Amino acid sequence: QVQLVQSGAEVKKPGASVKVSCKASGYTFTSYDINWVRQATGQGLEWMGWMNPKSGNTGYAQKFQGRVTMTRDTSISTAYMELSSLRSEDTAVYYCARGTDPGSGSYYDSEFWGQGSLVTVSS
Amino acid sequence: QSALTQPASVSGSPGQSITISCTGTSSDVGDYNLVSWYQHHPDKAPKLIIYEVNKRPSGFSNHFSGSKSGNTASLTISGLQAEDEADYYCCSYANTGTLVFGGGTKLTVL
Repeated sequence: QVQLVQSGAEVKKPGASVKVSCKASGYTFTSYDINWVRQATGQGLEWMGWMNPKSGNTGYAQKFQGRVTMTRDTSISTAYMELSSLRSEDTAVYYCARGTDPGSGSYYDSEFWGQGSLVTVSS
Repeated sequence: QSALTQPASVSGSPGQSITISCTGTSSDVGDYNLVSWYQHHPDKAPKLIIYEVNKRPSGFSNHFSGSKSGNTASLTISGLQAEDEADYYCCSYANTGTLVFGGGTKLTVL
């Protein structure tokens, strides 16, 4: 069955960077886009960007341009999301999610989600 | 890209039907049939319940249905059940190549 298993909780200081991993199994990793979505405490879902694991192509929300980098290691079917220059407002649960349909540019909706990774930014 | 507009909360009794609206613009909801809906229970991962306006993922019953008119999409839940109590989010593709979520709607089953 399709599974996305994310890395554990992290605590970071303001100004630092965090890198969250998302290991995929149960399907061909390079066949489906990956989205990253976050939810700050008491807030709604917020889309951060997408990545095509086959090509490495990415697209980021304007809000995160210059601060977020999405990468992958196809040899271990793992996607990564790195967020830099962290501030307290970045405290949130970060989710990876797999596109519903195969193919590049099919990130419009996500059928399978990771369990979430809590990132806490605190001095 | 501004968030899509959803009501903050809706409520209904078991067995009733409720509808949640999701209003965007001609740059997102109005221009693409790429609206999805997610159910989110606290401390769990969101679950896709509707995609491409009115399609259901495999294994899902017609308990949930979706539609769109102009710049507004809607999610209807028929025959409300206690386990439907959750937060619901709409999401749309936008002409900037990005996705935008709604602010979320808290559904209370009375």
